[in-house]
Amino acid sequence: EVQLVESGGGLVQPGGSLRLSCAASGFTFRSYSMNWVRQAPGKGLEWVSYISSSSSTIYYADSVKGRFTISRDNAKDSLYLEMNSLRDEDTAVYYCVRGLEYTSSKGMDVWGQGTTVSVSS
Amino acid sequence: QSVLTQPPSASGTPGQRVTISCSGSSSNIGSNYVYWYQQLPGTAPKLLIYKNNQRPSGVPDRFSGSKSGTSASLAISGLRSEDEADYYCAAWDDSLSAWVFGGGTKLTVL
Repeated sequence: EVQLVESGGGLVQPGGSLRLSCAASGFTFRSYSMNWVRQAPGKGLEWVSYISSSSSTIYYADSVKGRFTISRDNAKDSLYLEMNSLRDEDTAVYYCVRGLEYTSSKGMDVWGQGTTVSVSS
Repeated sequence: QSVLTQPPSASGTPGQRVTISCSGSSSNIGSNYVYWYQQLPGTAPKLLIYKNNQRPSGVPDRFSGSKSGTSASLAISGLRSEDEADYYCAAWDDSLSAWVFGGGTKLTVL
């Protein structure tokens, strides 16, 4: 069974840092791109970051650029999100999402259960 | 303000057919596949439609997707109470180099 399990969420003060992890199982992790998507309380989905299978290509949403860093360890089947200079508006459930690559397009299919990040003083 | 535009709400009675629209632009829907996700209350989103109109295994054929130009739509026929959820459209945006989502549509089964 394809599974993504996020961890590392918690309560942090504004300006603080947090590192999220996502453990993948049930598929060949190194063959897939990955994404982080977040959802603020009562709000819609917001894409955060993308990393290609080999880590050669990385994209960020403008709202997190310069503050968040996505990375992966294919040997450990794991995806990470390093979050620095956290703001109140970063409060959300963060989902790890498997990516799909086509000749001229992309997709996202499997979602983890999410980990909650709360930024508050 | 979401890049993709969805109606905030939709409703129908059991057995009815409802459609949810998703409007974008040439850089996202116009040039990439559209995906639809269903989010039941208190749970993570789940893939409902991929590559515009394909259903993953396990998704009932009551759910169908279509795309024309820079717009897409999700249709649900034979509406059931368990279809009450939030529905999101999404597509890759070539200009932004980013995934973009619709604001979500809350479906109520009356």
